[in-house]
Amino acid sequence: DVKVTQSSRYLVKRTGEKVFLECVQDMDHENMFWYRQDPGLGLRLIYFSYDVKMKEKGDIPEGYSVSREKKERFSLILESASTNQTSMYLCASRITGRTNKNTEAFFGQGTRLTVV
Amino acid sequence: AQKITQTQPGMFVQEKEAVTLDCTYDTSDPSYGLFWYKQPSSGEMIFLIYQGSYDQQNATEGRYSLNFQKARKSANLVISASQLGDSAMYFCAMREINTGFQKLVFGTGTRLLVSP
Repeated sequence: DVKVTQSSRYLVKRTGEKVFLECVQDMDHENMFWYRQDPGLGLRLIYFSYDVKMKEKGDIPEGYSVSREKKERFSLILESASTNQTSMYLCASRITGRTNKNTEAFFGQGTRLTVV
Repeated sequence: AQKITQTQPGMFVQEKEAVTLDCTYDTSDPSYGLFWYKQPSSGEMIFLIYQGSYDQQNATEGRYSLNFQKARKSANLVISASQLGDSAMYFCAMREINTGFQKLVFGTGTRLLVSP
């Protein structure tokens, strides 16, 4: 059974704290993604990684950084948490697809982060 | 740049009836894939159905079918014989094969409510 696991389901942090969200996948996927989900805005891509130590900015990277030291683990870092980063964070992984065939993304259960 | 539009924030349907959830997309890449995901209130993202841009036939998976109209750039999800368990958020997503660099971009979602 394929699995993407996020380290926390719920997290409460204070403004200004450095926050780490961890994601681990056991499917040997090359690609990993971090999204944030807000009502009315859908899922917005923060960062993604297509290989170990490789990363690309998504649509809303400001205030975030990422780390991928091992293939199975992709971390999202909030350098100095702010209240506008209160959101649901979803991690996903997927194999590399260079053709038109289906390469669905598998998602973790999500981390609901509240910054107070 | 790839873009997904879901114009229906919410939809209501009675049990056992069919419902169509709209999705339009924009891309200049001739090779792309379209996905639909379901997100129940528990939060997990469940993959439903996939359509490749070169697929000759509309995709079907059980009660789910995708009404793919390439010229109109639409990929509507049709759920036949709705069930109470179909109540959830539904997201349309797209991946460009040649230019999207493995990115999966989502729409804002449609909340479906199935009534008895």
